[in-house]
Amino acid sequence: DTEVTQTPKHLVMGMTNKKSLKCEQHMGHRAMYWYKQKAKKPPELMFVYSYEKLSINESVPSRFSPECPNSSLLNLHLHALQPEDSALYLCASSQDPGYEQYFGPGTRLTVT
Amino acid sequence: DQQVKQNSPSLSVQEGRISILNCDYTNSMFDYFLWYKKYPAEGPTFLISISSIKDKNEDGRFTVFLNKSAKHLSLHIVPSQPGDSAVYFCAADRGSTLGRLYFGRGTQLTVWP
Repeated sequence: DTEVTQTPKHLVMGMTNKKSLKCEQHMGHRAMYWYKQKAKKPPELMFVYSYEKLSINESVPSRFSPECPNSSLLNLHLHALQPEDSALYLCASSQDPGYEQYFGPGTRLTVT
Repeated sequence: DQQVKQNSPSLSVQEGRISILNCDYTNSMFDYFLWYKKYPAEGPTFLISISSIKDKNEDGRFTVFLNKSAKHLSLHIVPSQPGDSAVYFCAADRGSTLGRLYFGRGTQLTVWP
């Protein structure tokens, strides 16, 4: 089973809202990732968690706040986003950092 | 600075023929390479990978070739099927334990009947 699940599939939020994206995997993977992808562009790495600790933060604005409650779950808390933050947000996991990453279906976020 | 390059934004191939997708990289520290396929509004799907100690890896209809001296890899799909129509991303890893993948910009493959 190589499934990574993400909820919600779609999210529309205003610039003053607070919302969260959720990601879950049950493959026993110890690394989890958040990516942002705009149309016709490659995925852009935002955060990496390795063994539940934040190991990479790609200078992401503080309006994005990641959280890893346990080894199977990864959240991305959103607050005061801008319209340019509208994108497909992808979660991925891998056995360990440096192994192939398996992506979830993504959350399509629209900021109005 | 794009360290992984896919210079062909699109490729069109007839069903049953071979599709060859190309990827070049500039960083000689990369030692692990991956191909992902992506349909619209879905997450990328892992296809196949190759370590720098090999020059070829095969999985069913998909074969990846690595030419380290040329810093070039290619994905061959034989035979191509209409369901293969998607964007294909090449990615590379520096073999660190950080898990940072460097992606190319992707090639849109269209397989027509």
